[in-house]
Amino acid sequence: EPEVTQTPSHQVTQMGQEVILRCVPISNHLYFYWYRQILGQKVEFLVSFYNNEISEKSEIFDDQFSVERPDGSNFTLKIRSTKLEDSAMYFCASRGTASGGYTFGSGTRLTVV
Amino acid sequence: AQSVTQLGSHVSVSEGALVLLRCNYSSSVPPYLFWYVQYPNQGLQLLLKYTTGATLVKGINGFEAEFKKSETSFHLTKPSAHMSDAAEYFCAVSDRVTGGGNKLTFGTGTQLKVEL
Repeated sequence: EPEVTQTPSHQVTQMGQEVILRCVPISNHLYFYWYRQILGQKVEFLVSFYNNEISEKSEIFDDQFSVERPDGSNFTLKIRSTKLEDSAMYFCASRGTASGGYTFGSGTRLTVV
Repeated sequence: AQSVTQLGSHVSVSEGALVLLRCNYSSSVPPYLFWYVQYPNQGLQLLLKYTTGATLVKGINGFEAEFKKSETSFHLTKPSAHMSDAAEYFCAVSDRVTGGGNKLTFGTGTQLKVEL
């Protein structure tokens, strides 16, 4: 069964550093998303991406964050100048159609120290 | 804005007993509805979804859910719990509009514990 692949599975970074979280969505999917889950809390929407541009973003997704689909297969989330409160599990998801199910990756656990 | 309410952050059942996890949504138009399961230290796995058609939806691992528009509910059930069902379950909704958005809005989750 097709999978969404996320790398790395764990990342530890120092406060103030930049991190890039990588995702390879399912190859024929058109809609891409990033979500995050702070430990013990619910899953929160960050951003959606379609047709090579951001289609929607949450209030969490401020100027510190950016997304790219650099080469038609990868989908990256960049966090500039990380803060302690950015520590969370970050999930990438993709879907093939507007009514299809979302397929999630297994997540990247980001720890900011 | 849409919202999802999951009643009961923790539910405990005996092995072999009925599992019932509650989900209610708030939306002016019936949305697409989803249930996801998350095992410890793992990602989110789709159990089932409702978009249109038959309101009783069957999913993986013996789970099913029924969309009840009059009650704005999408409760998840399984007739007989198994130890391997112990996990966190998330109800989620998305808009029906087409386009690039259609983000998922998640409930706060229900931790299911299955006891011998």
